[in-house]
Amino acid sequence: QQQVKQSPQSLIVQKGGISIINCAYENTAFDYFPWYQQFPGKGPALLIAIRPDVSEKKEGRFTISFNKSAKQFSLHIMDSQPGDSATYFCAASGMDDYKLSFGAGTTVTVRA
Amino acid sequence: DADVTQTPRNRITKTGKRIMLECSQTKGHDRMYWYRQDPGLGLRLIYYSFDVKDINKGEISDGYSVSRQAQAKFSLSLESAIPNQTALYFCATSDFGQGEAGELFFGEGSRLTVL
Repeated sequence: QQQVKQSPQSLIVQKGGISIINCAYENTAFDYFPWYQQFPGKGPALLIAIRPDVSEKKEGRFTISFNKSAKQFSLHIMDSQPGDSATYFCAASGMDDYKLSFGAGTTVTVRA
Repeated sequence: DADVTQTPRNRITKTGKRIMLECSQTKGHDRMYWYRQDPGLGLRLIYYSFDVKDINKGEISDGYSVSRQAQAKFSLSLESAIPNQTALYFCATSDFGQGEAGELFFGEGSRLTVL
């Protein structure tokens, strides 16, 4: 049973549009929430991460929104570009050991 | 050269064969992990090791074993491969307390097909 539920499984967005990926978790011991980006033929790489003491973190066109009470967090990709086409994984772990539990992944396709 | 190197990158084998996937890293990290990626299931942790003398089971360790030969080397073995072990396998490292805490650095993956 996956500890982090991710949706949608895939999405297609036009260049310049906004991509939104949602994740939910149940384990209240989780306190580190990263997003990983994976291009075809490559391993995942850390994109952005957040801790529950803030509700939002922005890095360039990528923003994580975090709702602690709802146990949900999301990734927004603003002004999506064809180079953003990739699979995105949300993940979560506790502070002590950083054993990440990953969501199922979302394949994002940005059409030019 | 890649910081986390996996060999082989692709392997086709038959049911019942023993398979070893190898991982070496030049990042100097103590922590190493093996994950399995399946479509619709994401990445699932098979085994992890926090130092040379430490081996721990992950979510899906049945049918797998590991060996931490040195700080830089962590191998995954399938003693008797079965078709449902067909997947993309990733090795990863992390350095607790450095940089973005908990960041995993992945290799490029080993695609295993069991016929």
